[in-house]
Amino acid sequence: DQQVKQNSPSLSVQEGRISILNCDYTNSMFDYFLWYKKYPAEGPTFLISISSIKDKNEDGRFTVFLNKSAKHLSLHIVPSQPGDSAVYFCAASDLYNQGGKLIFGQGTELSVKP
Amino acid sequence: DVKVTQSSRYLVKRTGEKVFLECVQDMDHENMFWYRQDPGLGLRLIYFSYDVKMKEKGDIPEGYSVSREKKERFSLILESASTNQTSMYLCASSLPLGGRGTDTQYFGPGTRLTVL
Repeated sequence: DQQVKQNSPSLSVQEGRISILNCDYTNSMFDYFLWYKKYPAEGPTFLISISSIKDKNEDGRFTVFLNKSAKHLSLHIVPSQPGDSAVYFCAASDLYNQGGKLIFGQGTELSVKP
Repeated sequence: DVKVTQSSRYLVKRTGEKVFLECVQDMDHENMFWYRQDPGLGLRLIYFSYDVKMKEKGDIPEGYSVSREKKERFSLILESASTNQTSMYLCASSLPLGGRGTDTQYFGPGTRLTVL
């Protein structure tokens, strides 16, 4: 039972354009969401997070949007740069019932072409 | 900055061998985790620990065990390695919920294990 789903295994975007990575979840108890970025042969690095009390969080070129009614979140990268090429994982947690555990999606491989 | 280190970046073992993967974090985090990453499956939780000597099963604990004798160190043990345990193994740590109110986990660089 995949509680967090990233339905697009890959995404290709031109440098300077917007990248939109999507993530859906099924568990309505999830109240904290994170995005991680992973380069080959390295561990994931934390990128940005959002609490369920918000619908948007911005950090530089990265913005995460949360639509609780649709159980959907998305990561926008504007403008996209070749160095953004990596695998992006979304993750979710139920802070108060399963605090400490993260449930990860399958990942989306982003390729930003010069 | 949080630093999570893993004992090996690449490891090749034979079927049936006992394998130890070590993870050390230097930020006094209570929580530590072991995941495996496989293409198309994302990160799957094997075991986690909220404190020294404590351990809990994750989603795929079969064939694995863990040890947490010191707060900074969390070991993953493959009792008898099999070819289907060939994978990227990732260790992570985090503060307890009360410390930051978030579940941000910090990852090590990973160990690419190949079982022949």
